[in-house]
Amino acid sequence: DVKVTQSSRYLVKRTGEKVFLECVQDMDHENMFWYRQDPGLGLRLIYFSYDVKMKEKGDIPEGYSVSREKKERFSLILESASTNQTSMYLCASSSPPGATEAFFGQGTRLTVV
Amino acid sequence: GQNIDQPTEMTATEGAIVQINCTYQTSGFNGLFWYQQHAGEAPTFLSYNVLDGLEEKGRFSSFLSRSKGYSYLLLKELQMKDSASYLCAVRVPRANSGGYQKVTFGTGTKLQVIP
Repeated sequence: DVKVTQSSRYLVKRTGEKVFLECVQDMDHENMFWYRQDPGLGLRLIYFSYDVKMKEKGDIPEGYSVSREKKERFSLILESASTNQTSMYLCASSSPPGATEAFFGQGTRLTVV
Repeated sequence: GQNIDQPTEMTATEGAIVQINCTYQTSGFNGLFWYQQHAGEAPTFLSYNVLDGLEEKGRFSSFLSRSKGYSYLLLKELQMKDSASYLCAVRVPRANSGGYQKVTFGTGTKLQVIP
C-alpha cells in the first residue's frame, strides 16, 4: 500500500515559534508538495519539490520555507509562526512526467496561539 | 491566473444520481482530476480526464469538454458513505520548472447524502 506519512496529526504552537512539519513517502516519487487547506479557499500550494534539493514556490510561499535533503522526505518550515498560519496542512507526492494522481498524507492540523 | 469553480454544497438522496459540475479558466491545460475528501481525512483520487468524453469507473463517471472548460463528476446509486467533499483540480504546464505541471484545486463541493 502506498503511503505518505505526516509526522503529526495535531499541533499547537505559540506565535513566533519555529515550526517543522515533516512528510515522508515510501513510493520513490520525485514530486512532493505542501498545501494548506482553509474553509472556502480549498487547497492552496505553498511549495513543491521535483527532485532532491530542488524546490519551487507555489501560490502562497510567504512565511514558509522547505527542505528536501532526501528523496523520501519533504519538510515544511514556518520560520516564525503567526496566527494566520493556523490551518490544515497536507503533504502529497506524485511521480512524473504524466502522473495521473497524487497521494496525500493524512494532514496536520496546526493551531498557532 | 487560474480559476476553478464548483458549487459549494449539494444535497442528494440515497440511491439517486448526482452530478457535480466544475468549470475552469486556466492558462493551459493538461488534465483534470477529481478527488474525494471525507471530513478530517486526506483527499483520495477518483478520476483523471485529459481527452474529451466520459470516463466510467464503477458508480463514478467523469466527463470533460476542453473547448467549454467544463467537467462533471457523476455519482450513481448514491450511498451514505458518499457524503464527502469532491475536489476538482486542473493541471497546467509551468514554463520555468523543468516541465513540472502545476495542479490547481477548486474549493470543493460538499455533498450530503440523505436517507
